[in-house]
Amino acid sequence: AQRVTQPEKLLSVFKGAPVELKCNYSYSGSPELFWYVQYSRQRLQLLLRHISRESIKGFTADLNKGETSFHLKKPFAQEEDSAMYYCAPPEDETGGGNKLTFGTGTQLKVEL
Amino acid sequence: KAGVTQTPRYLIKTRGQQVTLSCSPISGHRSVSWYQQTPGQGLQFLFEYFSETQRNKGNFPGRFSGRQFSNSRSEMNVSTLELGDSALYLCASSLEHPSGNTIYFGEGSWLTVV
Repeated sequence: AQRVTQPEKLLSVFKGAPVELKCNYSYSGSPELFWYVQYSRQRLQLLLRHISRESIKGFTADLNKGETSFHLKKPFAQEEDSAMYYCAPPEDETGGGNKLTFGTGTQLKVEL
Repeated sequence: KAGVTQTPRYLIKTRGQQVTLSCSPISGHRSVSWYQQTPGQGLQFLFEYFSETQRNKGNFPGRFSGRQFSNSRSEMNVSTLELGDSALYLCASSLEHPSGNTIYFGEGSWLTVV
């Protein structure tokens, strides 16, 4: 089964500082990976997906198949980036694509 | 386009009771997934339904069950409630395969078991 690791439960940075939220996973058969975000008192929503290669709200995520990592990065943190971030790597080879596994999440706090 | 709608939003139940939660997916979405969210465990996958069939199931006891109707609406049921079942239950819908498509979440149903 897919195993997802987001090693930091809480990441605190100052406004304007670079941000890197780490995500490692065990199965890398599919190129499709996601980052979801949950802002305070809002529903969980898609932040970005690897296959579209978009940069959303200044965030990017590079897939490193060798390290099985999909770290989320932003060069300059903004106060409104404070939220809970979840990494969602691909389904493993047994699941048929019908299950999305989430990491335990990293709470990003951007301080002034 | 209406988003994923979950009812009820909040409920309090007593240990031993059972509860049914409802989810209406985005129009046209045929896949519905359920997750349990707790501070300690994060988001844990419960099950996924597509065309009224359960396609995948997480590691939860048999007290947790679900179903999907022909209009893609879904319900999940928890029987013999335990204190540890207190959580936010999230429903998510997608066009087809959740791991290959964007999934859209509802606001969740907050369940408190006392």
